[in-house]
Amino acid sequence: NAGVTQTPKFQVLKTGQSMTLQCAQDMNHEYMSWYRQDPGMGLRLIHYSVGAGITDQGEVPNGYNVSRSTTEDFPLRLLSAAPSQTSVYFCASSSPYEQYFGPGTRLTVT
Amino acid sequence: SQELEQSPQSLIVQEGKNLTINCTSSKTLYGLYWYKQKYGEGLIFLMMLQKGGEEKSHEKITAKLDEKKQQSSLHITASQPSHAGIYLCGAEAGGTASKLTFGTGTRLQVTL
Repeated sequence: NAGVTQTPKFQVLKTGQSMTLQCAQDMNHEYMSWYRQDPGMGLRLIHYSVGAGITDQGEVPNGYNVSRSTTEDFPLRLLSAAPSQTSVYFCASSSPYEQYFGPGTRLTVT
Repeated sequence: SQELEQSPQSLIVQEGKNLTINCTSSKTLYGLYWYKQKYGEGLIFLMMLQKGGEEKSHEKITAKLDEKKQQSSLHITASQPSHAGIYLCGAEAGGTASKLTFGTGTRLQVTL
């Protein structure tokens, strides 16, 4: 039982490049979410999903896309990376009474 | 939108001392989550409180939910160096665990 896994752990992108952050969970949770964590700003919700095929925007969705084709996977796509997207990204998986986070991806956009 | 304020922002305690961290919400609390984060690492789920007056414990950490005050408190008894880290509270926005609003955290240092 690995819980929530994220890849890669570290990534450096140049402005304008695109990439996908991977997230997978093996707890059969319906709910999954993506957050970004920035100094002084705390954790902010980017996108979330309440089940396969269902996604919605969070607080800071601009510049990011998500899809949920399976219960296990919830990838986050950066369409055209900008320096403002330099952050630590966390994926989370939830049941109604608990939410578990992955180890995070540290992204730097130059 | 809901805002969570944590106090204090940082705390230094001597090993063996007790401490309390508070999390106050600008709106009614329906579900309150507590996490611990070590620098550069992910968030470790500690516990979730749902009902007013509810109290839960995880090892030497106890959390309570005061529905009327829209506040939760996290109490650590006989602190140890292993308790050091950043404690974060998160509240359900819209009644679902998939959407949490977080406080900015309380940084705890435990000295020998």
